[in-house]
Amino acid sequence: AQRVTQPEKLLSVFKGAPVELKCNYSYSGSPELFWYVQYSRQRLQLLLRHISRESIKGFTADLNKGETSFHLKKPFAQEEDSAMYYCALSGTSYGKLTFGQGTILTVHP
Amino acid sequence: EAGVTQFPSHSVIEKGQTVTLRCDPISGHDNLYWYRRVMGKEIKFLLHFVKESKQDESGMPNNRFLAERTGGTYSTLKVQPAELEDSGVYFCASSQTNTQYFGPGTRLTVL
Repeated sequence: AQRVTQPEKLLSVFKGAPVELKCNYSYSGSPELFWYVQYSRQRLQLLLRHISRESIKGFTADLNKGETSFHLKKPFAQEEDSAMYYCALSGTSYGKLTFGQGTILTVHP
Repeated sequence: EAGVTQFPSHSVIEKGQTVTLRCDPISGHDNLYWYRRVMGKEIKFLLHFVKESKQDESGMPNNRFLAERTGGTYSTLKVQPAELEDSGVYFCASSQTNTQYFGPGTRLTVL
C-alpha cells in the first residue's frame, strides 16, 4: 500500500524566513514523488518532481530514501508562496497519485 | 493550449438524485484520471482511463459511481443515487507523460 503523510496542516512564516514543508511516504518499491500547489482560486498545479531535480520558484525537494521523506524547502519565503501544498506519490508510470493531506502555508509580510 | 476543463463548476442536488460530471482533458492526452476530496480529507484517486479503457478503477467507492470515456476523449462521472457522503470536490486530470494536469474541479453538494 502507498501512503503519504504531511504532518503539518498549517504552517506560518514571515517573509524572508526559510520554510520547510514536511512529507513522508510509505511504499515498498521505487516511487516517484511530486509536490503540487494550489494557489487561491486556482487549480492544482505541479510544482516539482523528484526525478527532474530542478528548482521551481526557489523551491527544492530532495528524495531521502533512507528516511522515506521528500521535504519541500525554500530559503527565503515570499508572500506569493502562500498556498496549499500537496505531496504526492506515484508507484508506477502514468499511475494514480496518492496525496498527503496537504499543508496550508501562510507567509506574513 | 487549453487546459483540462470540468463542467459544472458547482452542483447542488438532493439525496437520491442523479448527477453527471464532465471532464474534457487536454487534447491528445490518452490518460484521464478522476479524484475527489471530501470535506476535511485528502484528495483520493477514483479511477484511471487510458483512451477509452479503464486502466485502474480501484478507487471507485461503490456501484453508485459510473465513469465512462466514450471515444477516448471526454469523460463523464455519474453518481446515482447521490448520498450525503458524496459531497466534495471532484477533480479530473489528464496526462501524456508522467505529469498530470488538473482541472479546476466540480464542487458537489448533496443535501
